[in-house]
Amino acid sequence: GDSVTQMEGPVTLSEEAFLTINCTYTATGYPSLFWYVQYPGEGLQLLLKATKADDKGSNKGFEATYRKETTSFHLEKGSVQVSDSAVYFCALSEWNRDDKIIFGKGTRLHILP
Amino acid sequence: ETGVTQTPRHLVMGMTNKKSLKCEQHLGHNAMYWYKQSAKKPLELMFVYSLEERVENNSVPSRFSPECPNSSHLFLHLHTLQPEDSALYLCASSQARGAYEQYFGPGTRLTVT
Repeated sequence: GDSVTQMEGPVTLSEEAFLTINCTYTATGYPSLFWYVQYPGEGLQLLLKATKADDKGSNKGFEATYRKETTSFHLEKGSVQVSDSAVYFCALSEWNRDDKIIFGKGTRLHILP
Repeated sequence: ETGVTQTPRHLVMGMTNKKSLKCEQHLGHNAMYWYKQSAKKPLELMFVYSLEERVENNSVPSRFSPECPNSSHLFLHLHTLQPEDSALYLCASSQARGAYEQYFGPGTRLTVT
């Protein structure tokens, strides 16, 4: 079945460092891909999405490119801030296959001032 | 008020109590979801409602009973819970059932004593 694998955390970086959180997926068709973020004490928020190969999703300085050839959707940010500390979830959803979102296990990110 | 709201935000209940969690979405969406988020476990989809009809029940014990009286409201009725049911319960909604992004509420932190 479809699945999402993302790097285990926690990931600890200093402020202004470059961030990469790896995400790979398995799917039989052409899924939509998402990154969600969960700040402490809150629910999940959609951070960005991409719906087809080579699409780049971006928001709040974060970017991720839908790479079909490597089945990946890595999250990147050029300069992280303390306020980016949160848990990040990679997810996929395929039309006409259960019609539900499959989430990765989440990666906790700590940014040190 | 916008987005997805959940009440209460925190709930402590004994194993013999009966309580209900409430979710309300102000986005005009037609699909609503209940998720369970436990420490160190992946996000678990519990129930899916589409146009007020339950379309999915992921082998959830009968001590959890959902109710969707209209497309804006979703309840989760709880009775005779176990300590292992302690978790963050998240409600979400989407435009329709399918590969649409989901919008989450802040969650209810449930502790069963």
